[in-house]
Amino acid sequence: GAVVSQHPSWVICKSGTSVKIECRSLDFQATTMFWYRQFPKQSLMLMATSNEGSKATYEQGVEKDKFLINHASLTLSTLTVTSAHPEDSSFYICSASSPSGSSNEQFFGPGTRLTVL
Amino acid sequence: GNSVTQMEGPVTLSEEAFLTINCTYTATGYPSLFWYVQYPGEGLQLLLKATKADDKGSNKGFEATYRKETTSFHLEKGSVQVSDSAVYFCALHGSSNTGKLIFGQGTTLQVKP
Repeated sequence: GAVVSQHPSWVICKSGTSVKIECRSLDFQATTMFWYRQFPKQSLMLMATSNEGSKATYEQGVEKDKFLINHASLTLSTLTVTSAHPEDSSFYICSASSPSGSSNEQFFGPGTRLTVL
Repeated sequence: GNSVTQMEGPVTLSEEAFLTINCTYTATGYPSLFWYVQYPGEGLQLLLKATKADDKGSNKGFEATYRKETTSFHLEKGSVQVSDSAVYFCALHGSSNTGKLIFGQGTTLQVKP
């Protein structure tokens, strides 16, 4: 149990276009989902915390108008990178937590590799 | 604020060697502590966890003990395998219940046959 999927697993897009990444909890309801960004050989940087039915809470320095997060249901959150540029190229990872989970455990998706040309 | 510090890598070991990856933390209250593993090109998988002082988390031969007196959660394995090659992240969840995980910088382990 506690499986989180992401789609797509990788995407290449042209500069100036928008890209949507989906994060789904497959076998549990996730009231909270988190979006992280990871640069090569670096740790995960939390971008935002997303609660179902409410606006996402962004970390300091993360542009909320550029990284649009929607958490419309208990099993789906989306991250849209708007007007993507090469510096947005990164590995984006989501995680989900369940209210019934223990010790605040987060379950991670496999990640999405975004390359902006 | 809360923070996690891991030993710098990369750590290179021969197969069957003993592994220790140090992790220390700074936190108020009583955080939960985690070790995650990331294989190349993949997301993170929970390796083990401990929720209170003196708890020992263990999984797949890996162990870590929550030491409040030294604010540490060192990861150990008695005999590593080539398949253990990955990046290991120590993390904490603070007692403030925001849901946020604080990650260490990660330690790359490379095991050679």
